[in-house]
Formats: sequence, C-alpha cells, structure tokens
Amino acid sequence: GAVVSQHPSRVICKSGTSVKIECRSLDFQATTMFWYRQFPKQSLMLMATSNEGSKATYEQGVEKDKFLINHASLTLSTLTVTSAHPEDSSFYICSAAGGGSSSTDTQYFGPGTRLTVL
Amino acid sequence: AQSVTQLGSHVSVSEGALVLLRCNYSSSVPPYLFWYVQYPNQGLQLLLKYTSAATLVKGINGFEAEFKKSETSFHLTKPSAHMSDAAEYFCAVFNDYKLSFGAGTTVTVRA
Repeated sequence: GAVVSQHPSRVICKSGTSVKIECRSLDFQATTMFWYRQFPKQSLMLMATSNEGSKATYEQGVEKDKFLINHASLTLSTLTVTSAHPEDSSFYICSAAGGGSSSTDTQYFGPGTRLTVL
Repeated sequence: AQSVTQLGSHVSVSEGALVLLRCNYSSSVPPYLFWYVQYPNQGLQLLLKYTSAATLVKGINGFEAEFKKSETSFHLTKPSAHMSDAAEYFCAVFNDYKLSFGAGTTVTVRA
C-alpha cells in the first residue's frame, strides 16, 4: 500500500515552454501533498505544501507564479513549471500524506521527475 | 525550529560488515524522526520512523535505529551490509507538518 506515482519520469523541453508534472496517490487518499526539488548530490528542498481544495503554501524563496501547484482531488496534485529556463532543470519529487491507516506525519514519495530545460 | 544533522557525507563498508549512519537532531520537544533511502534516479523509500514509542525502532531491509534522548541521536544501523544497500540515506525530522531533511549520507558497499 501507500504507492505514489509521478508522470512523466523524464521530460526535456525548450526554454520558455511550460511543463506539467502529475503526482498521484494510487491506493489512498492524500489530504496533503508536497513538492520537493533536488539538485545533484544534494538533499531535498521543500518547495510547497498543498491541501486538497486549498491554495498551496509555498516555502520562502519559491516563486508562486513560476511553480503553479494544483491539488484538485485527494489523489492528484500537479506542478506546472511555467516559462521554464535552464536553471529550472532539476529532479522534482512529490510526496503524499494522510491517507488510510497512516498518520499525517508519514510521507510517501513518488519516483521523481527529471526535468531538463534546453 | 527542529533540524537534523547527518555526520559523514560518505560511508564505505565491506559486504557483511556493520553499517552505521549517524544522525543528530535538535528539538525543544519530543521529535518525530525518520530515515529514508534513495536509490539512483528514484524517489525516497521510508525505512523506519520514531514517534515517541519504543526507542529501538526496527525497519525494513534489516535496518534499525535507536532514539537516544541523552545524546540527541537517532543513528541507523544494519548488522551486515549487502551490495543492494548501496544508496543515499536521509535522516529527517517532522516539524510543523513538514519534513526537514539532513544533507544525506552516501553508502557504498565493497565486495
């Protein structure tokens, strides 16, 4: 149980285009989803927290208009990187919490999406 | 704010040897602590968590961690390393409904 998927696993796009990444909790309903960014050989940096039906809460320094987050249902959250630039290239990981028998403190992570902006 | 510090960015062990990964926390209240493992180009997998119940926590894949309040530590151990244990390991603390991660420790296993 507690499986989280992400799509796509890899995406390459041209500078200036927008990219949407989906995060789904497959076997539980997630009240909260999180989006992280990870640079090579570094730890995870939390970008934002989203609760179903509410606006996302962004961490300090993360541009809200750059990284659009939608959490329309208890099983789906999307991250859209708008007008992507090469510096946005990174590994983006989502996680979900609060479903089923698990407590809200335990997050289950997706497999990540590798974004490369040319 | 609560935080964790992982001592040692790289650990190299021989197959069959003890694996010891160090994590110290800073917290003014009893913390919820986690260990996650990340294999190359993958997301994180929960190894184990401490939520103020038993101080010795057993996880998956033969790993366990002991919460020591006197030392503010939550070190991860495995008695006998396997080649499949080669990965990145992250200690994390749950605070304000969010996880804060340590810098990570890369484990390599020598045959």
